[in-house]
Amino acid sequence: QVQLQQWGAGLLKPSETLSLTCVVSGGSFSDYYWSWIRQPPGKGLEWIGEIDHSGSTYYKPSLKSRVTISADTSKNQFSLKLSSVTAADMAVYYCARASGEVNTGWHDAFDIWGRGTMVTVSS
Amino acid sequence: SFELTQAPSVSVSPGQSASITCSGDKLGERYTYWYQQKPGQSPVLIIFQDNKRPSGIPERFSGSNSGNTATLTISGTQTMDEADYHCQAWDITTTTAVFGGGTKLTVL
Repeated sequence: QVQLQQWGAGLLKPSETLSLTCVVSGGSFSDYYWSWIRQPPGKGLEWIGEIDHSGSTYYKPSLKSRVTISADTSKNQFSLKLSSVTAADMAVYYCARASGEVNTGWHDAFDIWGRGTMVTVSS
Repeated sequence: SFELTQAPSVSVSPGQSASITCSGDKLGERYTYWYQQKPGQSPVLIIFQDNKRPSGIPERFSGSNSGNTATLTISGTQTMDEADYHCQAWDITTTTAVFGGGTKLTVL
């Protein structure tokens, strides 16, 4: 049974860099896409970006200048860094797996989700 | 940019059918996905590729997608179905995932 376990700092000051990591257990890393998705309190889901096993990344355009997603395939884990955080970045951050066909670039559903990490930004 | 729109809330009586819609430009030309999220929990995939149910999802959940609108239908709605429902599609031109704003389903 595939599981995603995520961790990282939950309290940041404005202008600091958010850093989260998600480890994949019980399944293949190379056959899927690995995303970060966030949800501000009381609001909807917002996709941040993704990485695949080859290191190819895609980011939401409005966040691209501040986001870096990387992966360590030897450890079956991937990470998110979001720089210069503000109060607008306060949210629950989820890691998630998207199925699809990595060789063709076709994406399917987010079928496995981590439990989420609440990130608070406060001075 | 490609956007998805959902009504903020929908109410239904127990045992009745609930319809939750998701609209976007030519949405019927791409697959739509639906996720159920209960308070304090992570989203759960309930419909993929417009109308398919993952293993373990009850048959009362069904989906359709045509034109500019995708619809999630819950037949014989139960109180346990009270949750937020999020639609999602992929913007193929930019390889980005797009979510609707979510619909809160109240069963009363």
